[in-house]
Amino acid sequence: AQKITQTQPGMFVQEKEAVTLDCTYDTSDQSYGLFWYKQPSSGEMIFLIYQGSYDEQNATEGRYSLNFQKARKSANLVISASQLGDSAMYFCATAGGSNYKLTFGKGTLLTVNP
Amino acid sequence: EAQVTQNPRYLITVTGKKLTVTCSQNMNHEYMSWYRQDPGLGLRQIYYSMNVEVTDKGDVPEGYKVSRKEKRNFPLILESPSPNQTSLYFCASSFWGRDHREQYFGPGTRLTVT
Repeated sequence: AQKITQTQPGMFVQEKEAVTLDCTYDTSDQSYGLFWYKQPSSGEMIFLIYQGSYDEQNATEGRYSLNFQKARKSANLVISASQLGDSAMYFCATAGGSNYKLTFGKGTLLTVNP
Repeated sequence: EAQVTQNPRYLITVTGKKLTVTCSQNMNHEYMSWYRQDPGLGLRQIYYSMNVEVTDKGDVPEGYKVSRKEKRNFPLILESPSPNQTSLYFCASSFWGRDHREQYFGPGTRLTVT
């Protein structure tokens, strides 16, 4: 079974600053993946970034990077140069082995202030 | 453009009136799934499909049916909707490779059952 913990219900950041959203996971699978999604107030779930458990380098996608620390079981999302449009709920999720089901955390509501 | 489409986006219906939410993907993915999102409960998987004619229950399958007659389509059927099925529903389409995984969600369907 997998479990995702996001300990920050809400975060505030000033426009153009970087912000880190925390995510820790628990899994018994040897091979697993970690995902981050953005959910704006309009409701859609937007795929941001993926990290495989065997990937040695941290994943990056534009302004998003995933700070993967396997020994600590953490997969924090770093957003550089925050923009007003980054204000949204952010979910961390994991899926293990051949199980394609994603297990989600409760999310972090990010507010970017001008 | 890679896309998962769902219809309708919004639906208000009455208890017991059968409805179908359609889902279609254009990425030739084998794996598709349905989730529901409820406040305080997060996203939970309803059903999933590994390929055409292969479907299985997720965490909360009661009251739902699915079918996968074609690779691109994965409709969700509520034979006799009840108020506790009022929720935000997401269809998802996934690529599950050895070194990389992606899971894309549709735009969501807001269902209200009165």
